[in-house]
Amino acid sequence: GAVVSQHPSRVICKSGTSVKIECRSLDFQATTMFWYRQFPKQSLMLMATSNEGSKATYEQGVEKDKFLINHASLTLSTLTVTSAHPEDSSFYICSAPGPIETDGYTFGSGTRLTVV
Amino acid sequence: KQEVTQIPAALSVPEGENLVLNCSFTDSAIYNLQWFRQDPGKGLTSLLLIQSSQREQTSGRLNASLDKSSGRSTLYIAASQPGDSATYLCAARGRTGANNLFFGTGTRLTVIP
Repeated sequence: GAVVSQHPSRVICKSGTSVKIECRSLDFQATTMFWYRQFPKQSLMLMATSNEGSKATYEQGVEKDKFLINHASLTLSTLTVTSAHPEDSSFYICSAPGPIETDGYTFGSGTRLTVV
Repeated sequence: KQEVTQIPAALSVPEGENLVLNCSFTDSAIYNLQWFRQDPGKGLTSLLLIQSSQREQTSGRLNASLDKSSGRSTLYIAASQPGDSATYLCAARGRTGANNLFFGTGTRLTVIP
């Protein structure tokens, strides 16, 4: 089946630095990818929709300048957390709809970000 | 806006028992409904996908049903095993729009050996 690869799986960074998370569709093209944030023991919160070749669509309340999304190719979307603060520490997950319309969504393995 | 609810929030059962996880959604105009499993600190693994025209899907010990008219889906797990311990999430996909996967709050399952 369709596979989405997400890297890194975990990262620790200092406050004020930026961190980039990559999401790749390995065996299919994804014109759209989704970025979620998950707080402990809670469900997934959609942050933004990444669109290949155009600007990302952000959900209400998500800072565009804080969470930069780039979808430069049909198989790669990146999320950059800029000027990270401890409150940005969280679990970030990407997903993409499968290559066939009747496919479900495929998710990456997630990235645990810890800002110290 | 679609709202998805899962009951119970947590469930503990002894190994070998059959169990049912519940998912309800407020807008019956869905494209499909997907059940996922999430292990601690991991991403989501798709278990079953039910299209809006289908009533149920089966995979091994798992069976998922869909009743759009009542806005409900159930995930049945037969002969539970400790390895089934995880959080189970259901997600309803709307008919229109790209940002249209609505997640439930999840059920945290513990199967006791």
